[in-house]
Formats: sequence, C-alpha cells, structure tokens
Amino acid sequence: GAVVSQHPSWVICKSGTSVKIECRSLDFQATTMFWYRQFPKQSLMLMATSNEGSKATYEQGVEKDKFLINHASLTLSTLTVTSAHPEDSSFYICSAPSLGGPYSYEQYFGPGTRLTVT
Amino acid sequence: DQQVKQNSPSLSVQEGRISILNCDYTNSMFDYFLWYKKYPAEGPTFLISISSIKDKNEDGRFTVFLNKSAKHLSLHIVPSQPGDSAVYFCAASLGNTGTASKLTFGTGTRLQVTL
Repeated sequence: GAVVSQHPSWVICKSGTSVKIECRSLDFQATTMFWYRQFPKQSLMLMATSNEGSKATYEQGVEKDKFLINHASLTLSTLTVTSAHPEDSSFYICSAPSLGGPYSYEQYFGPGTRLTVT
Repeated sequence: DQQVKQNSPSLSVQEGRISILNCDYTNSMFDYFLWYKKYPAEGPTFLISISSIKDKNEDGRFTVFLNKSAKHLSLHIVPSQPGDSAVYFCAASLGNTGTASKLTFGTGTRLQVTL
C-alpha cells in the first residue's frame, strides 16, 4: 500500500531555533497533505492543509507565521516550526489522501515526528 | 468544541471476547466516518470506514455500526486479539463540503486485550 514518510522521526532543539519536518508520499502523488499535532493522551488536532502550488490553509488558532508550510512538489510537504518554544513540544503527524487530492476520505499517515524543545 | 467524542478513554477486554468502542458526534453534516488504530510514536493506520448512507460495514473481525439519529457509531472487534491492543480513534468527514480528506478526530480509546 501507499506509504507516507516523515523525517526526522524525532528532534530535540533549543528554544528560539527553527525546526523543519519533511513529509513525503513515497509511491503516489498528493496535491494535498495535512499536518496534525498530538499532545500526550489527546486527539489529533488538524493544524493546516498543505496545497501543492498554493498557500496552505490553517485551522483557527494556528499561527501561520510560526508554522510555515511549503508544498514544494507533488510528493513533498514541509512544516517549519519557527522560533520554537517548549510549548511547541509535541508529536507532529502528516497525512496524504489515498487518492492524492482533497476529495478522498481515506488518508495515509506518516509515522510522526516527536519534537522536544528545551 | 469537540465535535467527535469518545467518552471511554480506555477499555480492557479478554482475548477472544468482543471489544466495542463507541464514538459520538455532534455535527449532523458529517457524511463519512472512519476508524484508525494507533500505536505509540507511530502514525494512525486505517481500519474501516462507513458512509452515512449505510448503517453497517463489515471487514473481517471489524464491524462498524452507524446510528445517524443518535449521532453514534461503534466499532466491534470480534474475536479480540492481543495484537489489537492500541489506541483507536474515530474520525468524521464533511465530504459534501468538497474537502472530504479533512478529518475531525475523536479523543481516542485505549484498548487493552488481555490473555
């Protein structure tokens, strides 16, 4: 089946630095990808929708200047956490619709990236 | 505003027995529902789904039931196996708005299947 990868799987950074997380669809193309974050013992919260060739759309309450999203190609989306602070420590997960676009119900999820900001 | 809720944070079931995981939603516009299974430090994996025009969908040991009038769905696993131990999330989609892929997740239920 289709696979979505994320890199890195975990990262520790100092407060004030920026961190980039990559999400790749390995054997299919995705014009749309999604970024979620999950705090311990909580639900997956959708942060933003990454759109190839256009700007990302952010969910209410998510700072677009802090969480920069770039959908560079049909197989790659990146999330950059700028000027990270300890409260940004979380598990970040990306997903891509099984049919590659926004009209597909089922999604393939990446393995997630654990970010720890010290 | 939690539109999709899983009121039981955890569930323990004996191997071989039936596991029933419940999910309630508030938005009547949701038209497609999915169940995902998640292990710690991994992304969710798709289990089974159901369209709002159906009330039941079965796939092997997994069956999802949908009660639209009650805005309730449930996942039945029978027989339960130790490998089923994980966190289960239900998710809902507003497919009729043109963004089918945008999912709203429940809070999850941790299932533990004991020997």
